[in-house]
Amino acid sequence: SAVISQKPSRDICQRGTSLTIQCQVDSQVTMMFWYRQQPGQSLTLIATANQGSEATYESGFVIDKFPISRPNLTFSTLTVSNLSPEDSSIYLCSARGEGSGYTFGSGTRLTVV
Amino acid sequence: GQQLNQSPQSMFIQEGEDVSMNCTSSSIFNTWLWYKQDPGEGPVLLIALYKAGELTSNGRLTAQFGITRKDSFLNISASIPSDVGIYFCAGPRDSSYKLIFGSGTRLLVRP
Repeated sequence: SAVISQKPSRDICQRGTSLTIQCQVDSQVTMMFWYRQQPGQSLTLIATANQGSEATYESGFVIDKFPISRPNLTFSTLTVSNLSPEDSSIYLCSARGEGSGYTFGSGTRLTVV
Repeated sequence: GQQLNQSPQSMFIQEGEDVSMNCTSSSIFNTWLWYKQDPGEGPVLLIALYKAGELTSNGRLTAQFGITRKDSFLNISASIPSDVGIYFCAGPRDSSYKLIFGSGTRLLVRP
C-alpha cells in the first residue's frame, strides 16, 4: 500500500496566521483526502483533493478557510487560514490507491495560541 | 446521514485478556475497515472486510462483517501492552469513496 509523508508533524501558530500542510505519496493514487481530528475525537472528513480541479468540501468546511491544492497524483497541500484557537487539532491526509486500500499520513498536530 | 456507532468507548483490561469491540449502523455498508491509532500517529489499517459474513484474522486480531451488512466486530485475543491505542471502525459513506469513522474505542492494557 502507499506510504504517505506528511509535514510538518507539529506546529504552534499565532492566531490570524495560516499553516500549510504538505502530503507526499510514494506512488500515484486515485484519491486523496484531508481529515481533522479534534482533541479526543474521531476523524472528520474535510474535503476530497481532486487532481487538476477544485477540492470537494464536506458540509461545514469552506474553501476560504481550508484551501487545498493537488497539482499531481502524488502530492497535496492543505492550508488552514486565519487561525483561531478552535483550529487546534490534528490534521491528517489520506490516500486511496489500488484496490480499496486507504492509508494515512502520521498527522500534523496544530496548536494555535 | 450515515453514522457508525462504536462501543465500548473505552476498555481497561489485564494483559492476557481477550477484547471485543463492535460497530453498528442503521445503514448498509459494503466495506468495513478497522484501524488502530497510536499516540502522535495516523490510523493504521488492521483488517479490511469486503463481504457480508466474512471473518478475517490478522495475527491475534479477528474481525467479522455482519450478515446484515450493518455491523462489524473486532476481537483481540491474549492482549499485550502494545495493543494500547484507539481502535476505529470505518466504512465508505453512501457507496462513495469517502470514509466515515466510528467514535473509537480507547484500549488500555494493565501489565
